[in-house]
Amino acid sequence: DADVTQTPRNRITKTGKRIMLECSQTKGHDRMYWYRQDPGLGLRLIYYSFDVKDINKGEISDGYSVSRQAQAKFSLSLESAIPNQTALYFCATSDSSTGGGNQPQHFGDGTRLSIL
Amino acid sequence: QKEVEQNSGPLSVPEGAIASLNCTYSDRVSQSFFWYRQYSGKSPELIMSIYSNGDKEDGRFTAQLNKASQYVSLLIRDSQPSDSATYLCAVKNKDTGRRALTFGSGTRLQVQP
Repeated sequence: DADVTQTPRNRITKTGKRIMLECSQTKGHDRMYWYRQDPGLGLRLIYYSFDVKDINKGEISDGYSVSRQAQAKFSLSLESAIPNQTALYFCATSDSSTGGGNQPQHFGDGTRLSIL
Repeated sequence: QKEVEQNSGPLSVPEGAIASLNCTYSDRVSQSFFWYRQYSGKSPELIMSIYSNGDKEDGRFTAQLNKASQYVSLLIRDSQPSDSATYLCAVKNKDTGRRALTFGSGTRLQVQP
């Protein structure tokens, strides 16, 4: 089983709908992140959470919200989806207890989201 | 200026050759540097991390860091067709406002059989 699990893997929906993408991890990591990836633009950070009570906006948080329900779960919501939010979304985790703060991130398999 | 810059490619090398992938970054206080490999439609996979100036080798991969020049590179020796992928450079800054990774847009590598 994957250490970082994203659901759903694919989703097609219509403009204006509310969508939730979920991420759960069994790695025991305290930090979790949401990124989106668009062709030619690389990975852009939407939100990140360093523990259940520490949630921070990334570079492109407008139109998105998040919830850290538990250390192992971090969900991303699009309250009213619009077509330019069509992208590949990745959840990632990292462990602050290793590497002296220089820890890498580990990614889930991604959710491909299409908004018509 | 982008914080992390990579040539988008594609970089095409013949099988068995050395592939050299380059990355420059703008923030001098950057501390940690990572290379990820991403196959089309798949998630990024960590290949190498480097924190100190110089070279770090792991199998066929060598990461090189030069903080004075704000430059990090990845060398892939004996390139194989299975190395064909997009390689993402990521940089971490310890400043309060930048506690996550900043990614470049990636370089696409094609290894020709």
